[in-house]
Amino acid sequence: EPEVTQTPSHQVTQMGQEVILRCVPISNHLYFYWYRQILGQKVEFLVSFYNNEISEKSEIFDDQFSVERPDGSNFTLKIRSTKLEDSAMYFCASSQSSGANVLTFGAGSRLTVL
Amino acid sequence: AQSVTQLGSHVSVSEGALVLLRCNYSSSVPPYLFWYVQYPNQGLQLLLKYTTGATLVKGINGFEAEFKKSETSFHLTKPSAHMSDAAEYFCAVSGKSGGSYIPTFGRGTSLIVHP
Repeated sequence: EPEVTQTPSHQVTQMGQEVILRCVPISNHLYFYWYRQILGQKVEFLVSFYNNEISEKSEIFDDQFSVERPDGSNFTLKIRSTKLEDSAMYFCASSQSSGANVLTFGAGSRLTVL
Repeated sequence: AQSVTQLGSHVSVSEGALVLLRCNYSSSVPPYLFWYVQYPNQGLQLLLKYTTGATLVKGINGFEAEFKKSETSFHLTKPSAHMSDAAEYFCAVSGKSGGSYIPTFGRGTSLIVHP
């Protein structure tokens, strides 16, 4: 069964460093998403991406964050200068369409900022 | 605006006992409702979803959920827990609010199954 893959599974970084989280969505999906979950809190929406541009973003997704689809397969989330509060599990997801369509999630990338 | 509240961050049951995971939602438009499950080191997988029609929805692994509009609830149940059901369960709501269908998730409920 097709799956969404995320790398790395766990990254530890120093505050102020740049981090890039990578995702390979399902090949025939058109919509891509990043969510995050701080330990013990809700899974929060960050950004959605369609047709090579951001379609929606939340208040969390400030200028520190950026997303890119550099080629036909990868979808990346970059955090320019990490803060302690960026420590979380980051989930990538993709879907064939919007609406009531189901999102397929990756296993997540755990980011720890020291 | 939409939101999801999952009551209980942890639910513990014995193998063979009824599983009940609670989810209440808030939505200004007719909701689409989802339950996802996450097993260790895996992504969130869809258990079941409600869009329209029959309010009792059956999903995989014997789980079902009932949409109750009057109670704004979408609780997940399974008659008899199995050890393999131990996982994190997430309720989500979406709906065409301002043209957006982005799902909003709860914080998740960890299901613990005792032998």
